[in-house]
Amino acid sequence: GAGVSQSPSNKVTEKGKDVELRCDPISGHTALYWYRQSLGQGLEFLIYFQGNSAPDKSGLPSDRFSAERTGGSVSTLTIQRTQQEDSAVYLCASSLAARGGSETQYFGPGTRLLVL
Amino acid sequence: AQRVTQPEKLLSVFKGAPVELKCNYSYSGSPELFWYVQYSRQRLQLLLRHISRESIKGFTADLNKGETSFHLKKPFAQEEDSAMYYCALKTGANNLFFGTGTRLTVIP
Repeated sequence: GAGVSQSPSNKVTEKGKDVELRCDPISGHTALYWYRQSLGQGLEFLIYFQGNSAPDKSGLPSDRFSAERTGGSVSTLTIQRTQQEDSAVYLCASSLAARGGSETQYFGPGTRLLVL
Repeated sequence: AQRVTQPEKLLSVFKGAPVELKCNYSYSGSPELFWYVQYSRQRLQLLLRHISRESIKGFTADLNKGETSFHLKKPFAQEEDSAMYYCALKTGANNLFFGTGTRLTVIP
């Protein structure tokens, strides 16, 4: 079946502009995660959505970052007033999570963001 | 606070040689640990998890709570094992804390 999809695959923007990154999780997956993969930094957790519960935003690096998940499916990660240090690959993952469970996370291909 | 440490950014071994990718963690609760792998031009994917005690593609990893380690091992490396490997720790919620990764290169 279809896996996690993300769009765009690549995004080049100018410093100070806002960007929106989209994630379509696997159908039926209740949990959705955003991570950031920076050069030399590994993978950094950003935010986690589980069903209708309030999202875990503990990984968001600043208030310029926000995310929404509409209808329990598609999610959008928004970065306002982008900075050069925001340049990274943004990964989305989804899982059949129940709280406290250990469901496998399935990753999308990522969006490569470059801020000039 | 939780932390995952992968001390080697790069690791090269010859084909047929044993390989060990190191992972150490710090976590006050009961840890669940995973290894994820990203092959060239492919998505990040789960390789194995400690609770399953399984061997995937010849790889095994044992959780050592005394040493707070979860090293990934394979007795005989293959060229197709060349990839980026990430150790990850799951905390009480379902989000994962990843190490910085180790790039494994298997030399023919």
